[in-house]
Amino acid sequence: NAGVTQTPKFRVLKTGQSMTLLCAQDMNHEYMYWYRQDPGMGLRLIHYSVGEGTTAKGEVPDGYNVSRLKKQNFLLGLESAAPSQTSVYFCASSYTLWEQFFGPGTRLTVL
Amino acid sequence: AQKVTQAQTEISVVEKEDVTLDCVYETRDTTYYLFWYKQPPSGELVFLIRRNSFDEQNEISGRYSWNFQKSTSSFNFTITASQVVDSAVYFCAVRGSSNTGKLIFGQGTTLQVKP
Repeated sequence: NAGVTQTPKFRVLKTGQSMTLLCAQDMNHEYMYWYRQDPGMGLRLIHYSVGEGTTAKGEVPDGYNVSRLKKQNFLLGLESAAPSQTSVYFCASSYTLWEQFFGPGTRLTVL
Repeated sequence: AQKVTQAQTEISVVEKEDVTLDCVYETRDTTYYLFWYKQPPSGELVFLIRRNSFDEQNEISGRYSWNFQKSTSSFNFTITASQVVDSAVYFCAVRGSSNTGKLIFGQGTTLQVKP
């Protein structure tokens, strides 16, 4: 099992550009989450999904959109990137409501 | 709403010292779950432990131990005889009783273990 994978690992964008981060899990997990990690602020939940076809807002959803068309994939989109979205993005999944398994992270820089 | 406070931003110890990482949580839920995660320099997040609110037994796993005290809303993490490989950022997190599984993380404590 690959676990939770994230694509890409690194990305540099210019202000106003768009991009999509892909999270994939091969553990048949129902729940999936997108977090961002910023220095001194821990991890903050952006959006989450409790099953295929569902999405919901987390703590810091502004400027992001998500989709969960397939159970194994959870996409995070930035329509018009801003420097404030420079961060490390982590995807996580869980089978039940217990521990979440995290991907390796995507380091995004917006210039 | 839930909140987690890890008041220690950075801790530096010398190898073989014992070290305790503090975690104070806030929640209005009567049933809740507490977690610790480790983030080594390589960047991935590693699950360490989950504790349910109705189970106040302390837990020991090798050199790691956790002290859960509902009376003080604390879930502290102690590493005994620290090693250089313990150097990492440690996060405490809380989840309430909703069926969404959302985790609220503390700010993290950076632990540096010097040889």
